[in-house]
Amino acid sequence: DAGVIQSPRHEVTEMGQEVTLRCKLISGHNSLFWYRQTMMRGLELLIYFNNNVPIDDSGMPEDRFSAKMPNASFSTLKIQPSEPRDSAVYFCASSSFRGQYNEQFFGPGTRLTVL
Amino acid sequence: SQQGEEDPQALSIQEGENATMNCSYKTSINNLQWYRQNSGRGLVHLILIRSNEREKHSGRLRVTLDTSKKSSSLLITASRAADTASYFCATEIPAAGNKLTFGGGTRVLVKP
Repeated sequence: DAGVIQSPRHEVTEMGQEVTLRCKLISGHNSLFWYRQTMMRGLELLIYFNNNVPIDDSGMPEDRFSAKMPNASFSTLKIQPSEPRDSAVYFCASSSFRGQYNEQFFGPGTRLTVL
Repeated sequence: SQQGEEDPQALSIQEGENATMNCSYKTSINNLQWYRQNSGRGLVHLILIRSNEREKHSGRLRVTLDTSKKSSSLLITASRAADTASYFCATEIPAAGNKLTFGGGTRVLVKP
């Protein structure tokens, strides 16, 4: 298995532009988590899905952020419009949800720089 | 404040020495997990300890859990330069679904 796949690995954009980050889950996994990591705030959970359904989006910073799962194996995180304070490394992680004891498998991350 | 907080924030040791880091948390947990993150990479799961377990081993890793003190420790024995990384604890809490809450991490430098 290739593991969790994220694209792009690096993204540099200008303030005000739309940014779309993509994530492919590990085959057979049914939970998907989006995180953001910065030096100042550490690793923050933005949103997570179980079986394509958003369960908790309380970590999504603002309405500028949206996440979807168009199918069971794929997710997008969109920022529109982007701002310099959105610069961070964005990780997605997947797991096989079985009630408890769920280990998460992280992708390599997307390093986003908003100028 | 964070559910999980690691101590120390940074640790520097010589190759061959043991490295110990601690994690404290605030509420009851289903389990506690430790992850490692190499520079520029995603986190990698190391070990999971359930709330009814007190100690667990995996290779050179030893994890303890003291639910009365709401704390856990990760011991890396006979460290190697390749163990240089950040180590994070994460807790899974009852009634919070299957999400994990991560601490701020301990940066470990193993000098050859």
